[in-house]
Amino acid sequence: GENVEQHPSTLSVQEGDSAVIKCTYSDSASNYFPWYKQELGKRPQLIIDIRSNVGEKKDQRIAVTLNKTAKHFSLHITETQPEDSAVYFCAALSRQNSGYALNFGKGTSLLVTP
Amino acid sequence: EAEVAQSPRYKITEKSQAVAFWCDPISGHATLYWYRQILGQGPELLVQFQDESVVDDSQLPKDRFSAERLKGVDSTLKIQPAELGDSAMYLCASSRSGQYGDTQYFGPGTRLTVL
Repeated sequence: GENVEQHPSTLSVQEGDSAVIKCTYSDSASNYFPWYKQELGKRPQLIIDIRSNVGEKKDQRIAVTLNKTAKHFSLHITETQPEDSAVYFCAALSRQNSGYALNFGKGTSLLVTP
Repeated sequence: EAEVAQSPRYKITEKSQAVAFWCDPISGHATLYWYRQILGQGPELLVQFQDESVVDDSQLPKDRFSAERLKGVDSTLKIQPAELGDSAMYLCASSRSGQYGDTQYFGPGTRLTVL
């Protein structure tokens, strides 16, 4: 089955700096990669996703890059703000039995200090 | 904006007791997922429904866990008997069709503590 590795597990940056979170996956057939943000005590929320026919996608301060050959994808947050502090999860979608299943990384706890 | 609803939000139980969690997906969403999230880890899929049918329950510990979605709308996840290792957040998610790349929307979760 699919295995998703995520690094780092914790990341601390100063407000205004950039943050980068990296993920690798094992199933070469995977080609949908969402990123979720989970604030303390709240539900995971989709912040950006990318499909394998695209190498990069940007939405304001957030961007995701995908390297299908190397089987890795990354989340980039620029001009970080304290409200970006949360746990971020990457995921890869793969075929599983009769459906499609998301396999999540273990999460990165991002802390943005003023 | 419509959201996935779950109840209860918190549940404390003693081991060997039975517990049940309820999920109401976004209206019109055909696919419903139950995930378990252990503290410090990402969600892990337990069971996936397409309408009222189970699509994938390969990771569901069937000796003690059961899930149903009788009318293809809301769903119940049951644990009987609960064990100490079942303490976790149980998340429900739904998507419009379950097709490739369909966005999954998560509920707020039920935090289970087994004493």
